[in-house]
Parts: sequence; structure tokens; C-alpha cells
Amino acid sequence: SQTIHQWPATLVQPVGSPLSLECTVEGTSNPNLYWYRQAAGRGLQLLFYSVGIGQISSEVPQNLSASRPQDRQFILSSKKLLLSDSGFYLCAWSGGSRGHNEQFFGPGTRLTVL
Amino acid sequence: LAKTTQPISMDSYEGQEVNITCSHNNIATNDYITWYQQFPSQGPRFIIQGYKTKVTNEVASLFIPADRKSSTLSLPRVSLSDTAVYYCLVGAYNTDKLIFGTGTRLQVFP
Repeated sequence: SQTIHQWPATLVQPVGSPLSLECTVEGTSNPNLYWYRQAAGRGLQLLFYSVGIGQISSEVPQNLSASRPQDRQFILSSKKLLLSDSGFYLCAWSGGSRGHNEQFFGPGTRLTVL
Repeated sequence: LAKTTQPISMDSYEGQEVNITCSHNNIATNDYITWYQQFPSQGPRFIIQGYKTKVTNEVASLFIPADRKSSTLSLPRVSLSDTAVYYCLVGAYNTDKLIFGTGTRLQVFP
């Protein structure tokens, strides 16, 4: 069966510090991978998605970046965090029998920037 | 990608049927309609997907009229555990990305 992991689960960082969130998927190959952010009480905002190794599409201009160094690894980074980067970060994958309309989400990382 | 419009919130009581309607006036011919459910501090979970008429699974039913400009998610006999945010999404089948709106916050009372 497929599983998706995210770490860390929670993170408190000062403004201006770097960020690295990692997401890995097991039990599937060549998945689409996604990074979303959800501010408190708000909907999900798609940040990046990837259809293959080294292929990253950015949805929103920001100080964040994403990389996909391996088929089932997706990393979200920032060189200098802003207060507005606080939120709940979710990684997801798709590519199962229902195609890409069914995305499977990880447990999320709650980031607080102080 | 077709934009969707849903009510911001709905209230219900245990045991009642809940119908959440989503408007998608600009839906394209090859677009499918997908619904997700999200509990607090968790990622969304796929509920149901359809193209036209009616789709039913063990969790919900999805009703889509002939013009496909709207859809209704029907939850039979809701319980307290159905309290969540429900998202309606429209996009081509096997699209590389889905766009989540703000969803409908359903509160079920005892």
C-alpha cells in the first residue's frame, strides 16, 4: 500500500531563518507531487506541483522554492522565512487507479514563524 | 480551470440528510467534478467524483444535472463525525493540478 510521510510535524522558526520541509512517498512510482499551504481558517493554496524528477511548476510567486531530487521525494525550502509563511503545509501525491483527480495527503507540517 | 462557488457554512443535526451545492457555470466539456472532505489539522480526503447524472459510493452521493453547471453532494444521515470542511473541485480528468477553494464548513449538532 502507498504511504506518504512529512516531517517535521511542527516547527517554530524565527523570521529570516531558512526552511526545509521534506515529503516522501512509498509504494508507488512516478507520482505527481504537490505542496499546499493552508492559513488558519482558510482554504488550501497550491504552491508547487511536480510531474517528474526535476520538474517543478510554481503556482504562486513567493520566497519559497521546491525541489524533487528523487522520484518519491519532494522538498519545500526557503532561504529567509517571513511572518506570512506561517501555516499548515501539506504534501500530496496522485497517480493511483483513479488518476490524478484523487490526491492523497500527508499528515502536514504546522509552521509558526515568529 | 473552472471556478466553483459553495456556501461558506452549513449547520445540520445528527441523522439528517445534508445537501451541499456547488456552482460551476464555466465547466468545460472534459471537466470532472470532485469532492473532498477535510477534518481539522488533517489533509483533505477524496470523497467522490463524477461527470454527469448520479454517482453513489459508501460515503455519499453526487448529483449532477444535465447542464453540469452545478452539482450537489448528498450526505445521508450525518453524524457528529461528519463535521468538516467540504471542497468542490472541477478539472479535467487526470489533470496535473486541482484548485481548492475555501470550501463549505459543515457543523453537525447532536
